[in-house]
Amino acid sequence: GQQVMQIPQYQHVQEGEDFTTYCNSSTTLSNIQWYKQRPGGHPVFLIQLVKSGEVKKQKRLTFQFGEAKKNSSLHITATQTTDVGTYFCAGPVYAGNNRKLIWGLGTSLAVNP
Amino acid sequence: EAGVVQSPRYKIIEKKQPVAFWCNPISGHNTLYWYRQNLGQGPELLIRYENEEAVDDSQLPKDRFSAERLKGVDSTLKIQPAELGDSAVYLCASSAAGVSYNEQFFGPGTRLTVL
Repeated sequence: GQQVMQIPQYQHVQEGEDFTTYCNSSTTLSNIQWYKQRPGGHPVFLIQLVKSGEVKKQKRLTFQFGEAKKNSSLHITATQTTDVGTYFCAGPVYAGNNRKLIWGLGTSLAVNP
Repeated sequence: EAGVVQSPRYKIIEKKQPVAFWCNPISGHNTLYWYRQNLGQGPELLIRYENEEAVDDSQLPKDRFSAERLKGVDSTLKIQPAELGDSAVYLCASSAAGVSYNEQFFGPGTRLTVL
């Protein structure tokens, strides 16, 4: 079936190092969303990318949507301890007559101070 | 503006008991979602409502799970009877009118433990 894969599953970095998580879909996506979930918290929307090749920045976070609209990446420059959490990508796919949001398994980021 | 409200925050029950979760979405959001999230995994959609209509319940285990959103505002998710494998966090989310799967706003979730 349609899947959204994320790698890596876990990443442990020293504060100040960069971090990247990658999201790959088995099918073309109309858009892709990124969410952040802090430990013990709930997912919080970060951004939505719609256009092929789109790049958006939020301070130290850079989001990219691939040209084929099948992959996406989130890059954090100079990580801080506040970046700790699990980052999920999610993309809407069609399943029969329904349009579903398929979530990746997430990348858990740990930051050593 | 209040966010998505869920109650209870935690629930511990024995297997075979019934349990219900309540969600009040952000005012004006006509799309409401119930998700289940197991430890270390992403949210899994159980049911999606557009106003009072359940437009996608294909992943809701209908033998034991039921949901309702009678007036198109708040919603209840019920499990009867609960099984050990139902232990998870149940998340409610809502999004604004228009295209479904716009930015979703999540509630704090209900952590269910079935003993």
